[in-house]
Amino acid sequence: AQSVTQPDIHITVSEGASLELRCNYSYGATPYLFWYVQSPGQGLQLLLKYFSGDTLVQGIKGFEAEFKRSQSSFNLRKPSVHWSDAAEYFCAVGAEENTDKLIFGTGTRLQVFP
Amino acid sequence: DVKVTQSSRYLVKRTGEKVFLECVQDMDHENMFWYRQDPGLGLRLIYFSYDVKMKEKGDIPEGYSVSREKKERFSLILESASTNQTSMYLCASSSLANHEQFFGPGTRLTVL
Repeated sequence: AQSVTQPDIHITVSEGASLELRCNYSYGATPYLFWYVQSPGQGLQLLLKYFSGDTLVQGIKGFEAEFKRSQSSFNLRKPSVHWSDAAEYFCAVGAEENTDKLIFGTGTRLQVFP
Repeated sequence: DVKVTQSSRYLVKRTGEKVFLECVQDMDHENMFWYRQDPGLGLRLIYFSYDVKMKEKGDIPEGYSVSREKKERFSLILESASTNQTSMYLCASSSLANHEQFFGPGTRLTVL
């Protein structure tokens, strides 16, 4: 069955440090890929998406992600983390049988220390 | 500005009660979705609708039903609430072939 794996449940970084959140997916063709962020008590907000074209995608709040077909990965990066980035991050892929449906990973909780 | 609203942020109900969760979007989107979110499990799709009066089961439809009588409104119904339905419920919408889903703020439901 199609799946999305976020291997890190919880990550802690210092403010100003770089960040990489991992995401691996299973999919036969070129997938639609997304990263969402959820602040405490809130809904999800789209950070960035990849449909086709340039494999390095820029998003909001200084985030970027790189699609690597050979590794089935779509890792999220930020060069310098701010305290306000503390949140939960979800990777998602469009379902093969219906790309309007999304399959979500289990999320990575980011904690930022001053 | 794109907006998805949910009728309640917090809800407390008793076992056996019928519960209605309402979701409204103002973007004229064809697709609407209901998810539940539990720690360590991410988001799981309960039901989705791709048109008025059209619905499709998601991964965990048991114990839930839905209604979509108007394009902008999608309701989730718990016919007889149980304690294992205590969760955060998220509504989302998207347009056909755009794939990006827009989310509401969520309803945290507690069933006692």
